[in-house]
Amino acid sequence: AQTVTQSQPEMSVQEAETVTLSCTYDTSESDYYLFWYKQPPSRQMILVIRQEAYKQQNATENRFSVNFQKAAKSFSLKISDSQLGDAAMYFCAYASYSGGGADGLTFGKGTHLIIQP
Amino acid sequence: DSGVTQTPKHLITATGQRVTLRCSPRSGDLSVYWYQQSLDQGLQFLIHYYNGEERAKGNILERFSAQQFPDLHSELNLSSLELGDSALYFCASSEPFGQISTGELFFGEGSRLTVL
Repeated sequence: AQTVTQSQPEMSVQEAETVTLSCTYDTSESDYYLFWYKQPPSRQMILVIRQEAYKQQNATENRFSVNFQKAAKSFSLKISDSQLGDAAMYFCAYASYSGGGADGLTFGKGTHLIIQP
Repeated sequence: DSGVTQTPKHLITATGQRVTLRCSPRSGDLSVYWYQQSLDQGLQFLIHYYNGEERAKGNILERFSAQQFPDLHSELNLSSLELGDSALYFCASSEPFGQISTGELFFGEGSRLTVL
């Protein structure tokens, strides 16, 4: 079974600074997807960014980018120019491609990101 | 708005009772997933239905059951409720996996269950 580990229960950053959230995963598969989801106080799960394992290029979405290291099974999220609205729980998640989506997403336990004004 | 609808948003009940949570997936999505999120915890996969059939089971208790109907909406039934069942229950849907699939799950706003 795949596992996802987020080693930082909580991170704090000054507004406008850059912060990196860590995620590692364990899998024996070669084809899979990785995601970062954001859960603000409203509790809604919102997709931040997605990475396909077969793509070597790191995904970027505006101020959000990832550092995907397939051999190291590492998938970190970098948030540039942090804004107060970025304050939330951030979950790293894994999806197996070979299972046809049967098992959905496997989530890490989350990192609580605090933005200091 | 993800397009996934969950009802009720909030539910308070007593131990030993039974409740039903409802989910309508995005238009065109055949898969419905149920997740449980306890206080300050990650999301635990419960069960997945695809086009009316059970596709995969996760850490779902025997007191819990689910089904997906011909119109593709799904219901999660929780019975003999215990205090520890208090949690946020999410439903999510996805497009069929395949060459054009992104693997992304689209989440509803969740149903917050409080068992007293």
